[in-house]
Amino acid sequence: EPEVTQTPSHQVTQMGQEVILRCVPISNHLYFYWYRQILGQKVEFLVSFYNNEISEKSEIFDDQFSVERPDGSNFTLKIRSTKLEDSAMYFCASVANYGYTFGSGTRLTVV
Amino acid sequence: AQRVTQPEKLLSVFKGAPVELKCNYSYSGSPELFWYVQYSRQRLQLLLRHISRESIKGFTADLNKGETSFHLKKPFAQEEDSAMYYCALVISSGSARQLTFGSGTQLTVLP
Repeated sequence: EPEVTQTPSHQVTQMGQEVILRCVPISNHLYFYWYRQILGQKVEFLVSFYNNEISEKSEIFDDQFSVERPDGSNFTLKIRSTKLEDSAMYFCASVANYGYTFGSGTRLTVV
Repeated sequence: AQRVTQPEKLLSVFKGAPVELKCNYSYSGSPELFWYVQYSRQRLQLLLRHISRESIKGFTADLNKGETSFHLKKPFAQEEDSAMYYCALVISSGSARQLTFGSGTQLTVLP
């Protein structure tokens, strides 16, 4: 069964540093999403991406965040200057029809 | 506001007992609802979607538009059902579709 792959599985970074979280969606899917889950809290929508542009973003997705699909396969989430409160599990999802397939997540720890 | 409510953060049942995980939604349009399961340290996995009316791992969920509910049920719980369960609603806005999650219910099935 096709999978969404996320790397790295765990990243530790210092506050103020930039991080890039990577996702390889399922190849024939057209819609891509990032979600995050702060420890002990619910899964929250960050951003959706379609046709090489952001289609919707949440209030969480401020100017510190950006997404791109640099080479037609990878789908990245960049946090420009990390804050302690960015520590969370970040999930990528790709979508075809009604099926959302999630990656296994990247646990980001900001120290 | 469009949202998903899972009133129980924690639910414990004994093996073999029936289990019901509650989900209520608020949405002005025609709802598309899902149940996702997250086993310990694993990715979010689709369990059920209301449009397919299928039964997976013995779980079923019926959409009740009158009560705006989509409760997840299983007649005989198994220990391997212990996991975090999320109810989710697709919110459509133009061409954008966003999966909104409830806060989740941690199910523990006791031996």
